[in-house]
Amino acid sequence: EIVMTQSPATLSVSPGERATLSCRASQSISSDLAWYQQKPGQAPRLLIYGASTRATGISGRFSGSGSGTEFTLTISSLQSEDFAVYYCHQYNSWPPGFGPGTKVHIK
Amino acid sequence: EVQLLESGGGLVQPGGSLRLSCAASGFTFSSHVMSWVRQAPGKGLEWVSSLRTSGGETSYADSVKGRFTLSRDTSENTVYLQINILRAEDTAIYYCARGIVAGVGAGKYYFDYWGQGTLVTVSS
Repeated sequence: EIVMTQSPATLSVSPGERATLSCRASQSISSDLAWYQQKPGQAPRLLIYGASTRATGISGRFSGSGSGTEFTLTISSLQSEDFAVYYCHQYNSWPPGFGPGTKVHIK
Repeated sequence: EVQLLESGGGLVQPGGSLRLSCAASGFTFSSHVMSWVRQAPGKGLEWVSSLRTSGGETSYADSVKGRFTLSRDTSENTVYLQINILRAEDTAIYYCARGIVAGVGAGKYYFDYWGQGTLVTVSS
């Protein structure tokens, strides 16, 4: 089973600043990685799939990169609505697995 | 517009059963993978089970195998998660999610639409 880890667990960022979130897989998952955003009391929302493809309707502030075992989600200029928890998800092999999440909060 | 509407959650005693439903609309039901992902209070996301709506193949997380059963009614565009022998650790919000197949092989799908979830609480 592939284990997903995310760092940091929490990230304090000022509005307008850049945020960089990391996700690591315990073995290579090629580019089979998705990122989700979850706000309090809401369902997760797909941001990125295929490691770097933005989902429909997702702002260009969000970008994904990486392959193999190391992945990054970058939010270029944080807006108030971007403060949330972000999860990565590997779908390269069964069982599908999520990282523990990174909480981005206001500095 | 794609919509996923879950129902069936509630308070149940340990050892009890529930049946969760996910009614789908706005897309061709038979072309996707329908899944359940749960989230315990204050915790992260955990994949629970998936079903390929075209062929009916199912898969389950080890933590629920033998206790949970996922099925579909294609005439109603609905999937059902029968959950039996409930334990305290099954307490969670259960989300229904639509999976987009991204390759050949088990588990090769990501989730592009999610329902709002239904809360299952297991407590005496």
